[in-house]
This record gives sequence, structure tokens and C-alpha cells, in this order.
Amino acid sequence: AQSVTQLGSHVSVSEGALVLLRCNYSSSVPPYLFWYVQYPNQGLQLLLKYTSAATLVKGINGFEAEFKKSETSFHLTKPSAHMSDAAEYFCAVSHPGGSYIPTFGRGTSLIVHP
Amino acid sequence: EPEVTQTPSHQVTQMGQEVILRCVPISNHLYFYWYRQILGQKVEFLVSFYNNEISEKSEIFDDQFSVERPDGSNFTLKIRSTKLEDSAMYFCASSERSSGSDEQFFGPGTRLTVL
Repeated sequence: AQSVTQLGSHVSVSEGALVLLRCNYSSSVPPYLFWYVQYPNQGLQLLLKYTSAATLVKGINGFEAEFKKSETSFHLTKPSAHMSDAAEYFCAVSHPGGSYIPTFGRGTSLIVHP
Repeated sequence: EPEVTQTPSHQVTQMGQEVILRCVPISNHLYFYWYRQILGQKVEFLVSFYNNEISEKSEIFDDQFSVERPDGSNFTLKIRSTKLEDSAMYFCASSERSSGSDEQFFGPGTRLTVL
């Protein structure tokens, strides 16, 4: 079985501050990991994904995430938050060679203050 | 840029009524999915569809639910005899292939409210 846990349903940062959204996974085999973003009134959009190549993955809009097997984590970071980053962020896990259906976390709402 | 569209954006219905949620996947995609998210909870997989048949479904997807691709563009989710607990955001998604690393493209969702 696979699962993800997103710590913190809401994260609040000031514009220009570091963004850190936490995701821990549970998987019986090396996983594929994803971060999706959902802007208001829009669908989920893929930010980045880890598929067993480089452990540091760069995505769109300046986001990146690092796969740490020892910590079973895949935290999402961005050095400097913009107001436009305010959105809901979802971490997801799937299995190579297994079910291609991703298992999602509950989501973290990122709030950016001016 | 191609995108998945869903209609309506918000559907209000009375308990016991049937609803049909509609999706138009990206035109060259072959795999289609429905997910739901109850307020404050996880995004949950409901069903996947390929070659005009269900390829995988979750335990949530019981006899109350059905999916159909009635023509070459639409992909629908029918919920019969809606219950209060069916109130959720329903997302449609599509992908070119079905490997574990392939990106699924999501629509903006339909918010279903059952009264």
C-alpha cells in the first residue's frame, strides 16, 4: 500500500520568504512522487515529478523538491514566495510497474502575505 | 494549450436525484479518470477508463456510479440516487498513457452539493 502525508493543512509565508511544504510518503517499493498545484477555480496542474532519476527535481515556477529515501520525504521548496504562488498544493505517490493511479495527500493551502 | 474541461462548475441537487457530470478530455488522450475530494479530505481515485471500458475502479465506485464515453469527446460520470455524502468536488483527468510516471491532466472540477 502507498500513502502520503502532508504536514500542515495551511502554510502562511510573507512575500519573498522561503516556501517549504512538507510531504512524507509510505511505499513498499521505490515510488514515483509528484507535486500538483491547484489555483482557484482551476484543475490540478503538475509542478514536478520524481521518477528515480536525480533526487533533486526542478519544476515550474521556481519550485523544486528533493527525494530523501532515508527520511521518506519529498518536500517542496521555493526560495522566494510570490503572491501568485497562493494556491492549494497536493503531494502524490504512485508505483513504477504497479498501479498507475496516484494516491494523493490532503493538500496544503499556501497563503502568501504582502 | 489543450486542457480538460468540466461542466457544470457547480451542481446542486436533491438527495435521491440522479446527476451527470461531464468532462471533455484532451483530444489525443486515451485514458480517462474520475477523482473526488470531499471538503477537507484527500483527493480520492474513483475510476479509470480506457478503450470504452473501465480499467480500474476503487471501492468507492459502487453500483451507484457509472461512466460513459457517449461520443468521441465527452466522458461522463453518472451518480444515481445521490446521497448527502456524495457532496464533493469531482475532478476529471486524462493522460496519453497509463504508466506510473505519466502526467494526468486535470479539469477544474465540478462541485456537487447534495441537499
